[in-house]
Amino acid sequence: DAGVIQSPRHEVTEMGQEVTLRCKPISGHDYLFWYRQTMMRGLELLIYFNNNVPIDDSGMPEDRFSAKMPNASFSTLKIQPSEPRDSAVYFCASSPTKNIQYFGAGTRLSVL
Amino acid sequence: AQSVTQPDIHITVSEGASLELRCNYSYGATPYLFWYVQSPGQGLQLLLKYFSGDTLVQGIKGFEAEFKRSQSSFNLRKPSVHWSDAAEYFCAVGGSGDDMRFGAGTRLTVKP
Repeated sequence: DAGVIQSPRHEVTEMGQEVTLRCKPISGHDYLFWYRQTMMRGLELLIYFNNNVPIDDSGMPEDRFSAKMPNASFSTLKIQPSEPRDSAVYFCASSPTKNIQYFGAGTRLSVL
Repeated sequence: AQSVTQPDIHITVSEGASLELRCNYSYGATPYLFWYVQSPGQGLQLLLKYFSGDTLVQGIKGFEAEFKRSQSSFNLRKPSVHWSDAAEYFCAVGGSGDDMRFGAGTRLTVKP
């Protein structure tokens, strides 16, 4: 298996623009997680899905953030409108059992 | 709620020296414990995990960790560090059905 695949690897955008981050989990994994990593706050869980259904989105910072999982092999994290403080590395992870998580390489987002 | 403390933000060791990274956790039941490693520009890779049984667990890349319930600790060790071990190391705690919580990470620098 190719592992968790995230795209793009790097994204540079201007404040106010919409940003969409993509994730393809490992086939057969029922759980999918979105994390944000910053120097100040470390690794934060934003939201996770089980069988394509959002289970806990309490970590989503505000309404500008939304996540979807239309099918078992694809998820998106959208920020609209983006702000400079959203600059971070965003990770997607998948898991067969919720506990052992396998991470993608991340998307480094810079909002100017 | 579960939590993880990694007391050392940054550790420097000489190549060939032994390594111990500390991790203390708080969890109400028997924890699931993990160590992940993150190389620059990469996602998190699972080094090892503890669910139950033998309290000394072996992982990849020559790492091991010991679960000490009485000390609420799960320290990571390696007898001889290689330059390629320079990375950020994260301890995480979870449980059956519970979310994982990650520590703030310990950055390891290896001196030649």
